[in-house]
Amino acid sequence: GNSVTQMEGPVTLSEEAFLTINCTYTATGYPSLFWYVQYPGEGLQLLLKATKADDKGSNKGFEATYRKETTSFHLEKGSVQVSDSAVYFCALRRRGRRALTFGSGTRLQVQP
Amino acid sequence: DGGITQSPKYLFRKEGQNVTLSCEQNLNHDAMYWYRQDPGQGLRLIYYSQIVNDFQKGDIAEGYSVSREKKESFPLTVTSAQKNPTAFYLCASSPMAGSDTGELFFGEGSRLTVL
Repeated sequence: GNSVTQMEGPVTLSEEAFLTINCTYTATGYPSLFWYVQYPGEGLQLLLKATKADDKGSNKGFEATYRKETTSFHLEKGSVQVSDSAVYFCALRRRGRRALTFGSGTRLQVQP
Repeated sequence: DGGITQSPKYLFRKEGQNVTLSCEQNLNHDAMYWYRQDPGQGLRLIYYSQIVNDFQKGDIAEGYSVSREKKESFPLTVTSAQKNPTAFYLCASSPMAGSDTGELFFGEGSRLTVL
């Protein structure tokens, strides 16, 4: 079946540190891959996405590259801010299916 | 503004009672979804609907029911058969297949606590 595995949190960083949140997936075919962000008490918002191998999604300084050979979609940011503190979810969408399969989420805490 | 509205934001229920969570969207999206979020488990799909009067079970449908009588509305009923209903419930929608980018648009969620 389809599944998404994320690194466990919380991840605690100082402001301006480099961020990596690992995400690997298992899926048949070539799924689309997503990162969503959830701020406290809110629903999820799309952060970035990639629809085919070697695509790089980017938004608000965050980046992730679709790596088919390693079945990974790791999230990176060069310099985090306190306002980036949130829970980050990696997700996949199998071809021909509308619903997304989500990972367990990784909480990021950025300290000033 | 266009968006997804979930209500109530917080809900308390006694054991043995059914409760219905509301989800309304004015985005003209044809697909709607219900997810359940538990700490450390991410989001799990309960039910989804791609058109009016049609819906499919997700991964954890037992103890839940839905209806889709209108395009804008997709209410979720948590029945007394749901063994562990305390959770955060998220409703989402996505546009029709021709305009579909894969993105889901989420409401702000409803937190249900069973006393």
